[in-house]
Amino acid sequence: AQKITQTQPGMFVQEKEAVTLDCTYDTSDPSYGLFWYKQPSSGEMIFLIYQGSYDQQNATEGRYSLNFQKARKSANLVISASQLGDSAMYFCAMREVISSGSARQLTFGSGTQLTVLP
Amino acid sequence: DVKVTQSSRYLVKRTGEKVFLECVQDMDHENMFWYRQDPGLGLRLIYFSYDVKMKEKGDIPEGYSVSREKKERFSLILESASTNQTSMYLCASSPETSGRAAQYFGPGTRLTVT
Repeated sequence: AQKITQTQPGMFVQEKEAVTLDCTYDTSDPSYGLFWYKQPSSGEMIFLIYQGSYDQQNATEGRYSLNFQKARKSANLVISASQLGDSAMYFCAMREVISSGSARQLTFGSGTQLTVLP
Repeated sequence: DVKVTQSSRYLVKRTGEKVFLECVQDMDHENMFWYRQDPGLGLRLIYFSYDVKMKEKGDIPEGYSVSREKKERFSLILESASTNQTSMYLCASSPETSGRAAQYFGPGTRLTVT
């Protein structure tokens, strides 16, 4: 069974500074994918970034980057130059392969509430 | 842009009522999902569907059923609503690809059962 752990229930960062949100995972599958989502107070989950287990380089997407350390089973999200609009809940998730059918189930962590201070 | 819509943002129902939550996606995605979200627990998968009329149980299917009669529509049914089903319900869809496909979410339905 897979498990995603986010140990920081809440984080604060000053506007324009960088922040790292931690995520560790546990899986016996050699092939897997890691995702980060942002959930503002409006409730909608917004896809941010993806990292595949066989990707040679860390994923980047604008101000978001993923610090992927496969041996340590960690996939931390780094947000550079924080903005007030970055205040939200952030979820780490892992995709597993389902033996039947083709759907790819995501397993989510419990989330980190990020607050950007002016 | 992918668009996933849900029939209601807020819903209040009484214990024992039959409740229908509707989800529609406009991107011709094969896969659709229903999650519930509770504080401190993250998102938990209730059911998913990888094709019309096909469904699979997720981690917490008890008390729920689903229906997928058309590719774009995936319904979650609470046969007899109970107070412990008060939660945020999120629908998602994803294309049938072998690897990197993200799931795209709707705005969520906050259901209160009294």
